[in-house]
Amino acid sequence: AQKVTQAQTEISVVEKEDVTLDCVYETRDTTYYLFWYKQPPSGELVFLIRRNSFDEQNEISGRYSWNFQKSTSSFNFTITASQVVDSAVYFCALSEAWSGNTGKLIFGQGTTLQVKP
Amino acid sequence: KAGVTQTPRYLIKTRGQQVTLSCSPISGHRSVSWYQQTPGQGLQFLFEYFSETQRNKGNFPGRFSGRQFSNSRSEMNVSTLELGDSALYLCASSLGLRGVANEQFFGPGTRLTVL
Repeated sequence: AQKVTQAQTEISVVEKEDVTLDCVYETRDTTYYLFWYKQPPSGELVFLIRRNSFDEQNEISGRYSWNFQKSTSSFNFTITASQVVDSAVYFCALSEAWSGNTGKLIFGQGTTLQVKP
Repeated sequence: KAGVTQTPRYLIKTRGQQVTLSCSPISGHRSVSWYQQTPGQGLQFLFEYFSETQRNKGNFPGRFSGRQFSNSRSEMNVSTLELGDSALYLCASSLGLRGVANEQFFGPGTRLTVL
């Protein structure tokens, strides 16, 4: 069965601190995709990144970086030098690759990040 | 390129009524997925439509239904509303290519309140 676990419900940091959001997933499929989305107070989910199960390269985009480890079924997200504008709820999500299921995202419960000035 | 639009943004209904929500995807996107977001259950998948056909369905009762038109616009309908249907309903569009989980781009959502 598919499942995504974000064990951290809320994290509070002071601006300029680094913060890592954890994501652990479960799937029986060998081909799958992982995503991170950001939901600011306005409510709209903003796409951040997509990785497929065959690409374990870490990725960096500005202050954001992602660490994908199949051995531990984890896809963690790090924000370096956090800013107040990073305050939001962050969701990790999983999707299988077989054709009937690619439009279905399984979301974790989300991690609320508060960055204080 | 215009993003995903959803109408209306807010709705207030009473128990027993029905409601229709609308979603216009990004131009060129053929897949539309719908999600329900509540504080207790989080984000849950309702269904996906691709080329006017339902391609996948989540674990929701039959009161929740949807459809997609030839221009890829989609509607979802909830009949016989219950208090527990109060939620933020999000739609997302993607290219919908087979065998690939494309990025889904979300609309602003429709906030439904059932009294």
